Amino acid sequence: EVHLVESGGALMQPGGSLRLSCAASGFTVSSNYMSWVRQAPGKGLEWVSVIYSGGSTYYADSVKGRFTISRDNYKNTLYLQMNSLRADDTAVYYCARGPLDTSLDYWGQGTLVTVSS
Amino acid sequence: SYELTQPPSVSVSPGQTASITCSGDKLGDRYACWYQQKPGQSPVLVIYQDTKRPSGIPERFSGSNSGNTATLTISGTQAMDEADYYCQAWDSSTGVFGTGTKVTVL
Repeated sequence: EVHLVESGGALMQPGGSLRLSCAASGFTVSSNYMSWVRQAPGKGLEWVSVIYSGGSTYYADSVKGRFTISRDNYKNTLYLQMNSLRADDTAVYYCARGPLDTSLDYWGQGTLVTVSS
Repeated sequence: SYELTQPPSVSVSPGQTASITCSGDKLGDRYACWYQQKPGQSPVLVIYQDTKRPSGIPERFSGSNSGNTATLTISGTQAMDEADYYCQAWDSSTGVFGTGTKVTVL
């Protein structure tokens, strides 16, 4: 059974750094495309980043140059390194498997990042 | 940047049909998918590659995509279908979500 569990969310000050983790089970992270999606409080879904099975990475313009997606093949875990955090980065961050058949077929429960002074 | 636009809200009576649109430039030239999100829960994929239903998704959910508009149709809507719905597509290697539609079952 596919399972994704995010962790690492916290209350952060503007300008700080944070790393989110997404532990996967039931499939191999390195053999799949993996994505991060966020949702600000009361707002819609916003795509953040994707890492392809071959290692290529892509980012939304809003996080490009500040966030880095990566994975640990041995731990079967996906990461999102978040630097230079801003108030508008406040959101629940979800990891998801995909795109698979152009969609995100499994999602984690999300982890909350709050950026506030 | 590519944008997908949805109506903010759709109301439907139980047992009736709800249609949710998603508009984007030449959207029909790319695949669209749809997610359902209930309050306090993670999104769930309900339609992928325009028309396909994942395992476990009821047959009352269907999709189409042509021209500039993708449509999610819920036939015989039930109270449990009350949720936010988001369309999604890919613009090159960048993911794009629609603005979201709140479906209310009255």
